[in-house]
Amino acid sequence: QQPVQSPQAVILREGEDAVINCSSSKALYSVHWYRQKHGEAPVFLMILLKGGEQKGHEKISASFNEKKQQSSLYLTASQLSYSGTYFCGTLSGTYKYIFGTGTRLKVLA
Amino acid sequence: DTEVTQTPKHLVMGMTNKKSLKCEQHMGHRAMYWYKQKAKKPPELMFVYSYEKLSINESVPSRFSPECPNSSLLNLHLHALQPEDSALYLCASSRSTLNQGNTEAFFGQGTRLTVV
Repeated sequence: QQPVQSPQAVILREGEDAVINCSSSKALYSVHWYRQKHGEAPVFLMILLKGGEQKGHEKISASFNEKKQQSSLYLTASQLSYSGTYFCGTLSGTYKYIFGTGTRLKVLA
Repeated sequence: DTEVTQTPKHLVMGMTNKKSLKCEQHMGHRAMYWYKQKAKKPPELMFVYSYEKLSINESVPSRFSPECPNSSLLNLHLHALQPEDSALYLCASSRSTLNQGNTEAFFGQGTRLTVV
């Protein structure tokens, strides 16, 4: 039931783009995206609600395809500060908020 | 103040010890959460409190006992833990339960627990 993210890991050079996907076997009604740096707490990036999308940051955007039960996070012109592990989050039952499997992103100078 | 504060940051305890983890927020959030995170894994939901009442217990062993004394505080009491319980324990809060879908969770920095 845990959303599956792909790729599991990705290495980029500064300035390159990346796409992270989050797929669920169950219907998605909303999707959150978080980034967690090593040894730190997850930090909220953005939320996508059913029927639309919201952009949380410049150069980081996301889409939400309800029919495909999938969300994608787009990182453009990556910066060193983008390094970390990205998680999608969603509801699996009442109050039960769970995270996807995670994608480790490393940006090299 | 948009912080969730967790104490202690690090904790080493023996298998016979009793200890508590504390979490505090002053954002007026009415939902609070405990997650357990192992290295290179996503956070796993343990407990959810909504309006100071326990809403979710994800079949967590009884050696973990949550407590929500008031709307700003969340404790996790630990007793007779096992070495495999060593992990990062994260507390989070949200304006309402994430059940509504249109609210985000704010996370504390976590307590890194080592059971010896």
